[in-house]
Parts: sequence; structure tokens; C-alpha cells
Amino acid sequence: EIVLTQSPATLSLSPGETATLSCRASQSVQQFLNWYQQRPGQAPRLLIYDASSKASGIPARFSGSGFGTEFTLTITGLEPEDFALYYCQQRSDWPTFGGGTKVEVK
Amino acid sequence: QVQLQESGPGLVKPSETLSLTCTVSGASIESGTYYWIWIRQSPDKGLESIGYIYLSGSTTAYNPSLQNRVTISVDASKNQFSLNLRSVTGADTGVYYCASGYSAHVIPFWGQGSLVTVSS
Repeated sequence: EIVLTQSPATLSLSPGETATLSCRASQSVQQFLNWYQQRPGQAPRLLIYDASSKASGIPARFSGSGFGTEFTLTITGLEPEDFALYYCQQRSDWPTFGGGTKVEVK
Repeated sequence: QVQLQESGPGLVKPSETLSLTCTVSGASIESGTYYWIWIRQSPDKGLESIGYIYLSGSTTAYNPSLQNRVTISVDASKNQFSLNLRSVTGADTGVYYCASGYSAHVIPFWGQGSLVTVSS
């Protein structure tokens, strides 16, 4: 099983700031890494697939990068609705998810 | 736009079978365009992919850790797909989501989730 480790566990930022979230894989997943956002009481929402491709309807402030074992989700200019949980997911092998990063208001 | 809605019991006894149904609207379950997926979420294990079905049952795949207990099937006449998880324990407690995507593990469409508690 491929283990995904997300850091930090919690990110405390103010609206307008830039969030940088990390996801590290226990072995190479090539580019097969997705990012999801989950707000309280809601299902996850697909943001980024295959490391850097934006899902339909996702704002330009969200971007993803990385390959192999190191990946980054960047949110440039946090909006109030961006304060939420974020998960990475790999699909190189049977899918697994990271433990999540909570982006909270500072 | 695909829309999905889970239904089923919220409480299941240990050793029994957890059964959930997902009703699909906005797409035909037989179309071959989409994969039909089950995912669960619990405080202990986080998000976990259970399995998927594709092309009206011609292809199924299950999480290796669950494959001895799980079956996903389709009822095309009702445009629904279902999850059966046998011999449940408390570790199977969680929110169960039905979901869909153009590939098996890139998931843009989600149901709202159904909380299932395993308890006597």
C-alpha cells in the first residue's frame, strides 16, 4: 500500500495569503496524484488531478505541482470559502488518501 | 451533470451485511462513460476507496483489504448501483459515499454521504 503523508497537519493563515500544502508518497506515483477539498458536512470536491490538471469549475487560484514522491497544492490569495480540509489521493496503485491538511483562519 | 444519492439503513448489527444503494440521475448507468464508485470515511481510517463497477458489471475492482467481504452491483432498470459489505464490525462504521468519474480514481461527482453505524 502506498502511504501518503500530508504536511502540515494544520495551516493557520489569513484571507488573501498564499497556502502551500505538501503531500509525500512512500514510493513513486509518477503524476497520478489528485487533490480534494472537503468542507464541514460535505463530500470531498475534486480540485486537481494528475498532479497539475485543474478539474472543471475550479478557480485559477488553485494550482498543483510535483512528480514522483513530492507534490504541492498552492492556493494563491485565500478566499473565505477556501478554509477547509484538503486531501491528496494517489491512483498509481489501488487508491489511497493522505491524512489531510486543515487550512484554518489565523 | 451526474447526481448521486445514497440510501440504506443507518444502523447495522455486528456480523451482519451492510447494504447501501446509490440512485443516479443525469446519466445512464449503462452508458460506459462513467465508473461507479464507493468510498467511505471514518475518523480512524480517513478516506478509503472501497471499489468500483464499470459497464453494467462487466468490470469490478475492490480494495484488496476488503475484497473478501464486498460486492458492488448494478440495477440498470432502476439506474442504481449497490454496495454489500458482509460480516461487519465496528471498524466499518463511517460515512459511505457513492461517487462517479470518467476514470476509476479521479472523482468529480459525489453523493452527500450516508452515515452507517455498526452496533448491537
